[in-house]
Amino acid sequence: EPEVTQTPSHQVTQMGQEVILRCVPISNHLYFYWYRQILGQKVEFLVSFYNNEISEKSEIFDDQFSVERPDGSNFTLKIRSTKLEDSAMYFCASSTNRGSTDTQYFGPGTRLTVL
Amino acid sequence: QQQVKQSPQSLIVQKGGIPIINCAYENTAFDYFPWYQQFPGKGPALLIAIRPDVSEKKEGRFTISFNKSAKQFSLHIMDSQPGDSATYFCAATLRGSTLGRLYFGRGTQLTVWP
Repeated sequence: EPEVTQTPSHQVTQMGQEVILRCVPISNHLYFYWYRQILGQKVEFLVSFYNNEISEKSEIFDDQFSVERPDGSNFTLKIRSTKLEDSAMYFCASSTNRGSTDTQYFGPGTRLTVL
Repeated sequence: QQQVKQSPQSLIVQKGGIPIINCAYENTAFDYFPWYQQFPGKGPALLIAIRPDVSEKKEGRFTISFNKSAKQFSLHIMDSQPGDSATYFCAATLRGSTLGRLYFGRGTQLTVWP
């Protein structure tokens, strides 16, 4: 069964450093998402992406964050200058169709630790 | 107002018991309510979902009950098994949402003892 994959599974970085989290969505999916979950808190939406454009972003997704689909398979989340509060599990998701009822398939996550 | 409140935070039941997880919302523009199941080391996976025009939906041992007037919905797991031990998230999406941004509850960690 096709899966969303994410690399690395765990990333440790120093505050102020740039990190890039990578995702390979399911191959025929066209809609992509990033969510994050700070330890002990709920999963929060960051951004949705379609046709090489951001469709929607949350208040969390400030100028320090960017997303890109650099080729036909990868979808990346970049944090330019990490802060301690960026430490979280980051989940990538993808779906075949747009719309409020379409199933989003989640990857296993990347645990980001900012020291 | 875009919150989905979930309780309890954790739940322990014996095998065969019927754990119930409750969620509530304020925004009447929410019109799709999925439940996600997450095992350790995995991402959330869609378990079952409901629209507010029905009061109940069953899929196997999993049932969602929906009370539109109270703006509450709950997940019941019949004949629970140790393999059901996981974290469960309720969620909601807004009517007309083009890419279906999910608003999640805080999650319930369920443990089913053999």
